[in-house]
Amino acid sequence: DQQVKQNSPSLSVQEGRISILNCDYTNSMFDYFLWYKKYPAEGPTFLISISSIKDKNEDGRFTVFLNKSAKHLSLHIVPSQPGDSAVYFCAATGHSGGGADGLTFGKGTHLIIQP
Amino acid sequence: ETGVTQTPRHLVMGMTNKKSLKCEQHLGHNAMYWYKQSAKKPLELMFVYSLEERVENNSVPSRFSPECPNSSHLFLHLHTLQPEDSALYLCASSHGQGAYEQYFGPGTRLTVT
Repeated sequence: DQQVKQNSPSLSVQEGRISILNCDYTNSMFDYFLWYKKYPAEGPTFLISISSIKDKNEDGRFTVFLNKSAKHLSLHIVPSQPGDSAVYFCAATGHSGGGADGLTFGKGTHLIIQP
Repeated sequence: ETGVTQTPRHLVMGMTNKKSLKCEQHLGHNAMYWYKQSAKKPLELMFVYSLEERVENNSVPSRFSPECPNSSHLFLHLHTLQPEDSALYLCASSHGQGAYEQYFGPGTRLTVT
């Protein structure tokens, strides 16, 4: 059973507008969430993250919102630019206290920015 | 070299072959990871190494054998693989000790014939 779900396989947004990518999770033990961006033939690149003690984190054009009660997070990109066209992965992890923790990923959303 | 590198980038092997994937991180990190991405499936964690000790083995078949000789290098030894093992294999590293951001290499595209 998927613990991290990205229900939109693809999303098309006009250049300059806001892109909103959504992610839902089921595991209550997750307490840290990350977004990655992936271009073809490259590995995922870390974008932005948020701890469960916060509900918003902003970094330039990228903002992540976390709604713990709904087990939902979203990534907002504004304004969207052509270089933002890529696959975006949502990932989550729980604080095991052991140091290194694997990430649980969603299937990804392919964002296409239209000129 | 900077970041996380992986070799080879592409590998085709028969089911009776033995091959190894190599990962090297130049970030001074203490933890390294192997992930597998199959078609239409999310990235799946395979192995975790922290300070060169394996801390997690995510129910991976024994035909995949990891090795971490030091904190900068990680190998995945492959033997008697099946066609369904064809996938993108990604290596990642992190600071460990509660630093959750992981940095990925470009991956090895493996095809088993």
